[in-house]
Amino acid sequence: EAQVTQNPRYLITVTGKKLTVTCSQNMNHEYMSWYRQDPGLGLRQIYYSMNVEVTDKGDVPEGYKVSRKEKRNFPLILESPSPNQTSLYFCASSLGPPRVGNQPQHFGDGTRLSIL
Amino acid sequence: AQSVTQLDSQVPVFEEAPVELRCNYSSSVSVYLFWYVQYPNQGLQLLLKYLSGSTLVKGINGFEAEFNKSQTSFHLRKPSVHISDTAEYFCAVMRSQGAQKLVFGQGTRLTINP
Repeated sequence: EAQVTQNPRYLITVTGKKLTVTCSQNMNHEYMSWYRQDPGLGLRQIYYSMNVEVTDKGDVPEGYKVSRKEKRNFPLILESPSPNQTSLYFCASSLGPPRVGNQPQHFGDGTRLSIL
Repeated sequence: AQSVTQLDSQVPVFEEAPVELRCNYSSSVSVYLFWYVQYPNQGLQLLLKYLSGSTLVKGINGFEAEFNKSQTSFHLRKPSVHISDTAEYFCAVMRSQGAQKLVFGQGTRLTINP
C-alpha cells in the first residue's frame, strides 16, 4: 500500500530540546516536502526536496532543518524548538513537483507538536 | 511572490444543494492552481488541478473548478453536495517556472447539514 508515514503522531516537549519528526515514503518518489498547518493560515511549506541531497527552503524555513540522504526519508529537525513552532505538521511526497503530470501528492496523517 | 485568498472561512450548506468555494490568487507570473481536501484527522488529498488547456477542470468526487485568468480566480463547485463532503478545502498555487513551492490559502471549512 502506498504510504507516507510520519512519526511521532503526537509529541509534547519543552523549549530548547532538540527533536526530529521522521517521514518515510514507499513509492520511490523524488519530491518530498514538509508543511505546517495553523488555524487561519492554512498550510505553509517549510522545506522541500527535489531528490536525494537536493533541498530548498519553502515559505517558513526559520527554526527548521531537513536532510535527504536517502530517497525514501525526509526528516524534519527542530534543533531548539520554541513555543511558536507548536503546530500540526504534514509531510508529503510525489513523483515530481506538484505541477508535473497528473500524479498527486501523497500526504502523511500529520504530527501534532506542542512546545511548552 | 504568489498569494492565495480563500474568501470564505466557513461555508454551511444543506445536503443536495450546490456549493461554490471561492479562491483568488495573486501572482506576477503564470501559475498552476490546485484544490485539496482535508477530511477530519487526515492529511490532504488532491481534488483537481489546472496546469494548462481547458479552463474548466473536473476532479474527483464530482467537483470541478474554473480558471479565470482575468479575474485571477479558481473557484471550486459541486452541483449537489453530500454529507460526506464535509471537510476543509484548500486552494493552492505554484508558479509555472522557477521555485517548486506550493502556496496554500487559509482554507474553507465546508459543513453539510441534513
